[in-house]
Amino acid sequence: ELKVEQNPLFLSMQEGKNYTIYCNYSTTSDRLYWYRQDPGKSLESLFVLLSNGAVKQEGRLMASLDTKARLSTLHITAAVHDLSATYFCAVDSGGGADGLTFGKGTHLIIQP
Amino acid sequence: DAGVTQSPTHLIKTRGQQVTLRCSPKSGHDTVSWYQQALGQGPQFIFQYYEEEERQRGNFPDRFSGHQFPNYSSELNVNALLLGDSALYLCASSRGGRHYLSYEQYFGPGTRLTVT
Repeated sequence: ELKVEQNPLFLSMQEGKNYTIYCNYSTTSDRLYWYRQDPGKSLESLFVLLSNGAVKQEGRLMASLDTKARLSTLHITAAVHDLSATYFCAVDSGGGADGLTFGKGTHLIIQP
Repeated sequence: DAGVTQSPTHLIKTRGQQVTLRCSPKSGHDTVSWYQQALGQGPQFIFQYYEEEERQRGNFPDRFSGHQFPNYSSELNVNALLLGDSALYLCASSRGGRHYLSYEQYFGPGTRLTVT
């Protein structure tokens, strides 16, 4: 059974600081997704990582994937309040377009 | 271009009742997946429909069933509701098959189900 673990589950940080969220998964997969969820809202796709060594950046967020270590990271650079949200990583255990297995999410609060 | 739509937005039901939730996929998508998200948790995969058949199923009891129509829209039915079924139900659509392009799932706004 595929398991996805995120840490930390809760993170409070100050604006301007850098931090990294980690996502470990238990079985072989080369498809990993990062989503953002604001309170009471649906999931917004941030990154799709499809191969070992993939790195994608959007604004202050950068995601990477190491399939050999079964690890993905979401790095936040010079955090701003607008990035406060819950971030989920999810893994596709099949050959694509299969059901995703999500981590429990990282609740991120960025304080001025 | 309309994204994934779901109805209703909110729903309140009593234990033992049955409920039907609806989803219309994003234009060009033919695969629909359903997820249950309990408060404070990550979404859990219920099942996926492709070509009007259930292609994959998560660890949910038979009380959860679904259907996909020829226009690719989908329904999620839950029978004999329990208090624990209270959650946000999310529908996600994607392109069908196992082609490498059919990898990204787009989520709808969700249906908030409360069972009392």
